[in-house]
Amino acid sequence: GAVVSQHPSWVICKSGTSVKIECRSLDFQATTMFWYRQFPKQSLMLMATSNEGSKATYEQGVEKDKFLINHASLTLSTLTVTSAHPEDSSFYICSASYRGHVDIQYFGAGTRLSVL
Amino acid sequence: AQKVTQAQTEISVVEKEDVTLDCVYETRDTTYYLFWYKQPPSGELVFLIRRNSFDEQNEISGRYSWNFQKSTSSFNFTITASQVVDSAVYFCALLSGGGADGLTFGKGTHLIIQP
Repeated sequence: GAVVSQHPSWVICKSGTSVKIECRSLDFQATTMFWYRQFPKQSLMLMATSNEGSKATYEQGVEKDKFLINHASLTLSTLTVTSAHPEDSSFYICSASYRGHVDIQYFGAGTRLSVL
Repeated sequence: AQKVTQAQTEISVVEKEDVTLDCVYETRDTTYYLFWYKQPPSGELVFLIRRNSFDEQNEISGRYSWNFQKSTSSFNFTITASQVVDSAVYFCALLSGGGADGLTFGKGTHLIIQP
């Protein structure tokens, strides 16, 4: 089956620094990628949707200048948390789908971000 | 707007008991997809099933079964003869509106299987 690799799996950073999370589709072309956030003991909430070559679409309440999403190629999307603060500590998960099949999403293993 | 309700926050049963996790959804679309995922402590989402709105047949996969009832907008998940390894958080999710808005997840049910 299709594989989505997400890196890093765990990151600890100091408050005020930026962190980049990568999401790669290893064996298919991901025309659409989704980024979700999950706070402890809560559900997954969609943050943004990105289509290859175009700007990401952010959900209401998600700051686009804080969570920079780049989907420059058909196999890679990145999420950069800029000037991270402790309240950004969360579990971030990406998913990818290929053209015409957004009903089939392949999830990465997630990235646990801890901001000190 | 889409919504998924998993009313059971936590369920605890003894191993070998059967357990049903409830899921109720809301959508105005006639075409949609329903999913169940398992999330163990590691955090990774494990895909269990995907069902489209036009297929109301129930499905069985080993000890797992799913009951899709459009009349009540429910997509319940039953584990038969539960095992300790089934302990996890289970999420029901909905994809509608052409999929452009990603998945809408329920709040999850934490299933605890006691030995």
